[in-house]
Amino acid sequence: AQSVTQLDSHVSVSEGTPVLLRCNYSSSYSPSLFWYVQHPNKGLQLLLKYTSAATLVKGINGFEAEFKKSETSFHLTKPSAHMSDAAEYFCVVSDRGSGYSTLTFGKGTMLLVSP
Amino acid sequence: DAGVTQSPTHLIKTRGQQVTLRCSPKSGHDTVSWYQQALGQGPQFIFQYYEEEERQRGNFPDRFSGHQFPNYSSELNVNALLLGDSALYLCASSAGLAGFREQFFGPGTRLTVL
Repeated sequence: AQSVTQLDSHVSVSEGTPVLLRCNYSSSYSPSLFWYVQHPNKGLQLLLKYTSAATLVKGINGFEAEFKKSETSFHLTKPSAHMSDAAEYFCVVSDRGSGYSTLTFGKGTMLLVSP
Repeated sequence: DAGVTQSPTHLIKTRGQQVTLRCSPKSGHDTVSWYQQALGQGPQFIFQYYEEEERQRGNFPDRFSGHQFPNYSSELNVNALLLGDSALYLCASSAGLAGFREQFFGPGTRLTVL
């Protein structure tokens, strides 16, 4: 079985300050991990993914995440927030070893960016 | 290249009715998954289709059924609608079943049950 816990339901930052969205996962197999972003009234967009290559993964729009197996974490970071980053972010796990590509989503973290 | 498309964008039904939602996968993709996203929640996996067969199913009742056609497009059917079925229904496609495959999501169908 696989599961994801996003540790914060809401995160508020000021424009230009760093962003940290926290995610812990549980997986029976070697996991693939993803971060998706959902802007209001828009579909889910993939930010980045980890699939067993480098543990530090770079994504779009300046986001990156580090896979830490010992801590079962996959936190999302960005050095400097932009107003356009305000959206809901989902951490997602997929059990690669199961042979299936079903995704298990966390409950989401709403990122609020103030001027 | 068109991404994943879904129709209709919005739908209003009454309790007890039946509804069919449609999805066309991204070009080159052969696997379609369906998710339900209730307001304020993360998407929940309903089921997945590959080679016109349901391959995996989440924790949803039999009122939820689906189909995949030879051209890889898919339908989600919900019978005997309940108020709690009101949600955004998302379709995602991928190239194959493997767990590391990236899934591409459509914009969703917003279903309201009155």
